[in-house]
Amino acid sequence: GQQLNQSPQSMFIQEGEDVSMNCTSSSIFNTWLWYKQDPGEGPVLLIALYKAGELTSNGRLTAQFGITRKDSFLNISASIPSDVGIYFCAGQEDSGGGADGLTFGKGTHLIIQP
Amino acid sequence: NAGVMQNPRHLVRRRGQEARLRCSPMKGHSHVYWYRQLPEEGLKFMVYLQKENIIDESGMPKERFSAEFPKEGPSILRIQQVVRGDSAAYFCASSPVSGNTIYFGEGSWLTVV
Repeated sequence: GQQLNQSPQSMFIQEGEDVSMNCTSSSIFNTWLWYKQDPGEGPVLLIALYKAGELTSNGRLTAQFGITRKDSFLNISASIPSDVGIYFCAGQEDSGGGADGLTFGKGTHLIIQP
Repeated sequence: NAGVMQNPRHLVRRRGQEARLRCSPMKGHSHVYWYRQLPEEGLKFMVYLQKENIIDESGMPKERFSAEFPKEGPSILRIQQVVRGDSAAYFCASSPVSGNTIYFGEGSWLTVV
């Protein structure tokens, strides 16, 4: 089955720093999604990418769908305390008509020191 | 404008009992997915359903686990004869059509004692 490698596993940064995390896949995905999960809560969708090469922003967040369709990155600029959490990438093989669920990375724990 | 609704949020069961987790998808969504998350892990796909149909159950354990999405009412994930290893967070998600963006509920935390 598909495998997603997400890195880094955890990040300890100072408030105000920029953050970068990425996911690589052993197979091609047609959709890449980035989620944030707070403790005791469900994943919340941050950015959805549907096209190879697509670069999408959502406030201080920017994500790109790699040209090879096998990777994606998420950047957070000027981190603030509420950015703390676990960030998951997720890929979906079929962009329509299929039956696949999402394949998730293992998450990046973001910890911000004031 | 309710999102994906799951209940119960927390459930404690003794070994051997049954657990039933319910999920109501977002309004207008006809596709439901169930995922399981173990501590410190990502989410693992279990099953994908449309109304009255199981489309893909490749992630479901072969025994004790079942899922349904009836014509009326919520989707149900049923775990029979629970064991300690079933303790996890179970997340339901929905989408309007297959391949479209998937939105998650807040999860049901099952603890087996």
